[in-house]
Amino acid sequence: NAGVTQTPKFQVLKTGQSMTLQCAQDMNHNSMYWYRQDPGMGLRLIYYSASEGTTDKGEVPNGYNVSRLNKREFSLRLESAAPSQTSVYFCASSGGAGGFFTEYFGPGTRLTVL
Amino acid sequence: QQQVKQSPQSLIVQKGGISIINCAYENTAFDYFPWYQQFPGKGPALLIAIRPDVSEKKEGRFTISFNKSAKQFSLHIMDSQPGDSATYFCAAPTGANNLFFGTGTRLTVIP
Repeated sequence: NAGVTQTPKFQVLKTGQSMTLQCAQDMNHNSMYWYRQDPGMGLRLIYYSASEGTTDKGEVPNGYNVSRLNKREFSLRLESAAPSQTSVYFCASSGGAGGFFTEYFGPGTRLTVL
Repeated sequence: QQQVKQSPQSLIVQKGGISIINCAYENTAFDYFPWYQQFPGKGPALLIAIRPDVSEKKEGRFTISFNKSAKQFSLHIMDSQPGDSATYFCAAPTGANNLFFGTGTRLTVIP
């Protein structure tokens, strides 16, 4: 039982490049989330998916798109990366025995945009 | 829009001392208030949570105190240990069925 996995762990992009961050969970959770973490800003929600087939904007969605590929996988895409998107990105999932609001986090992707 | 204000931003405590972190929220659709713990290079993990049909919940050295009328809740770490050095986040549910996190408190416990 791996929990929540994220790839890649580290990435360096140049301004304007695109990339997709991958996330998968094996806990059969309905809900999945993407957060970014910046110093002094805490965890800010980018997008979430309450169930397979649905996605909604969070607090800071601009510059990002998401795809809920199936119940297990939720990807985050940066179409044209900007230095302001330099951050640590966390995927999370919730549901199951832990309850709707118990979120399980992946190990994170550290992204640097030059 | 849910807002959660967390303080202090950083905290230094001697080994064996008490660490106290406070959070205040504006609105909540559900009475459920968790605390997450994050070690460097790792993702946050649920530490303890309270559903405020009680005003306090204790798990080992960790206690949540809740004051519904003041819309405040706090985390107390008794007998703080160097292994408790981490960043702590409080959170509160939003009306959109997800969590709104505080800005975090970096705790350092000095041996």
